[in-house]
Amino acid sequence: GGIITQTPKFLIGQEGQKLTLKCQQNFNHDTMYWYRQDSGKGLRLIYYSITENDLQKGDLSEGYDASREKKSSFSLTVTSAQKNEMAVFLCASSIEGTGNQDTQYFGPGTRLLVL
Amino acid sequence: AQKVTQTQTSISVVEKTTVTMDCVYETRDSSYFLFWYKQTASGEIVFLIRQDSYKKENATVGHYSLNFQKPKSSIGLIITATQIEDSAVYFCAMRELITGNTGKLIFGLGTTLQVQP
Repeated sequence: GGIITQTPKFLIGQEGQKLTLKCQQNFNHDTMYWYRQDSGKGLRLIYYSITENDLQKGDLSEGYDASREKKSSFSLTVTSAQKNEMAVFLCASSIEGTGNQDTQYFGPGTRLLVL
Repeated sequence: AQKVTQTQTSISVVEKTTVTMDCVYETRDSSYFLFWYKQTASGEIVFLIRQDSYKKENATVGHYSLNFQKPKSSIGLIITATQIEDSAVYFCAMRELITGNTGKLIFGLGTTLQVQP
């Protein structure tokens, strides 16, 4: 078994501010993901990373940067927070391949509110 | 584009009964993977069960089982002997291949289940 931790749990920012969210996993999984969850819109992929130092854009990458300096960690940066923005950011990880290895496991989320 | 649709916005049941949640999907892939996740009131998303499209047998894990109807592109989640703590939002998801052997999940909008005493 393993665990995914996300910090911070809650993040309150100001319009235009650069905000960084962090994710750590001890599954020893190769692939990590950042999803955004908005009310009524399900989860959408922002960035993913297949291995250390790899970065790939998802469907919602505009306005975000990401960093994968270690296999166990994946950071997401909101480059300029939008006023009244409210969303939950979820980190996930998986071992990519066939069979049960490609199940994605999620962290507890970071709740963002921009004033 | 691949798509996952959950038509039931919310369901309310009495505890100890069986509930079925619907999910239909669209894909061009001949081989694909389907998942159900549960999001609790705290926001945590928990993996419940999966179905690989090449497997004919319906997956079962504990009191969760799937009703996989491939010709109808349907993957229903069945929860038997529901408990109050099963109250949550349930998401259906499909893995879409994006790069090499890496996939992303396409999620439905979720079904809120409320289990009443």
